[in-house]
Amino acid sequence: AQSVAQPEDQVNVAEGNPLTVKCTYSVSGNPYLFWYVQYPNRGLQFLLKYITGDNLVKGSYGFEAEFNKSQTSFHLKKPSALVSDSALYFCAVRDATKAAGNKLTFGGGTRVLVKP
Amino acid sequence: DTGVSQDPRHKITKRGQNVTFRCDPISEHNRLYWYRQTLGQGPEFLTYFQNEAQLEKSRLLSDRFSAERPKGSFSTLEIQRTEQGDSAMYLCASSPSATSGVSTDTQYFGPGTRLTVL
Repeated sequence: AQSVAQPEDQVNVAEGNPLTVKCTYSVSGNPYLFWYVQYPNRGLQFLLKYITGDNLVKGSYGFEAEFNKSQTSFHLKKPSALVSDSALYFCAVRDATKAAGNKLTFGGGTRVLVKP
Repeated sequence: DTGVSQDPRHKITKRGQNVTFRCDPISEHNRLYWYRQTLGQGPEFLTYFQNEAQLEKSRLLSDRFSAERPKGSFSTLEIQRTEQGDSAMYLCASSPSATSGVSTDTQYFGPGTRLTVL
């Protein structure tokens, strides 16, 4: 079974400050990890993914995430947050084992509020 | 816009009625996924197609739910005898992998169909 935990329902940060959104995961095999962002009444927009290789992954809109196998974490970061980054962020995992299938398992989401 | 499209964007129905949603994936994407998202929750997997074959179904997909992808292009999701608990956002996604096995490819999501069952 695969699962994702996003321990913070909401993260508040001042514009220009660093932003971190936490994610931990559990899979039987190796993980494929994803971050998506959702704006009100919209679908999910892909930000970045980790498949293999460098633990630091860079994605869209200045976001990056660091894969930590020992801590089973994949935290999303942005060095300087913008008001327009205010949205709902989802971490997702897929087990790389073929038998586990292709479905993504999502966390419960973290709402980010960036204040001017 | 060449992204995933879904129709309708909103659907209000009365309990007991049948509803059908349509998803058009990104052109040439051979994998198509349906997810359901309830308020304040992350999306939950419902089912997945590779071309026209339905390869995986969640236990969430009760007998009242049926999905098809008859020609390997667009897909439909039908809910029969709707219940108030079916109220949710139904999301469709597609990915471009052309090979079998576990895909490393990104799933690209459509805007969703918001269903309200009265």
